[in-house]
Amino acid sequence: EIVLTQSPGTLSLSPGERATLSCRASQSVSSSYLAWYQQKPGQAPRLLIYGASSRATGIPDRFSGSGSGTDFTLTISRLEPEDFAVYYCQQYGSSPRLTFGGGTKVEIK
Amino acid sequence: EVQLVESGGGLVKPGGSLRLSCAASGFTFSSYSMNWVRQAPGKGLEWVSSISSSSSYIYYADSVKGRFTISRDNAKNSLYLQMNSLRAEDTAVYYCARESPLADYGMDVWGQGTTVTVSS
Repeated sequence: EIVLTQSPGTLSLSPGERATLSCRASQSVSSSYLAWYQQKPGQAPRLLIYGASSRATGIPDRFSGSGSGTDFTLTISRLEPEDFAVYYCQQYGSSPRLTFGGGTKVEIK
Repeated sequence: EVQLVESGGGLVKPGGSLRLSCAASGFTFSSYSMNWVRQAPGKGLEWVSSISSSSSYIYYADSVKGRFTISRDNAKNSLYLQMNSLRAEDTAVYYCARESPLADYGMDVWGQGTTVTVSS
């Protein structure tokens, strides 16, 4: 079973700063099947990145994804006020079929 | 507009049953695999179950296997989750989500969620 560990649990930053979020897998994950989601309070998650590095439709280019194997990163180049939220990584595999990381909260410092 | 709308949540006693529905519109429902994802109060996201476009492939998380049943009716553009033998730990917001092969199987459309509370 693949376990996704996200770090840090909470990231305290100011608007305009760069955010770097980590997602580490217990086994190698196909880069094609690693996604990132953003969730704001009271809202459903929103797909940001798929295939480890491809932005979903309508996602601003300040969001970027990278990584391979067991280490993946979501970078927000310059935080906007609307970017303060919780971010989840997710892998698509065989057993279990889907796994989410525990999430990283990006909060205003 | 592409949309998913869940319904059927509510308060149920431990050991009880509930059936969730998810109505799809604005896209060819029969072409997509679908998922149920839940989120316990104050917790992270947990995948629950997946069903392929023609119902040929069905998967469950270990935590719900044997108790929950996913199904779909492509003629009605609807996804379902039959939940039996409910436990307190099943209390969560339940989301249905579309899985897109164009997004490497990322879930690109989500409903607003329906709340299930299991309590005596």
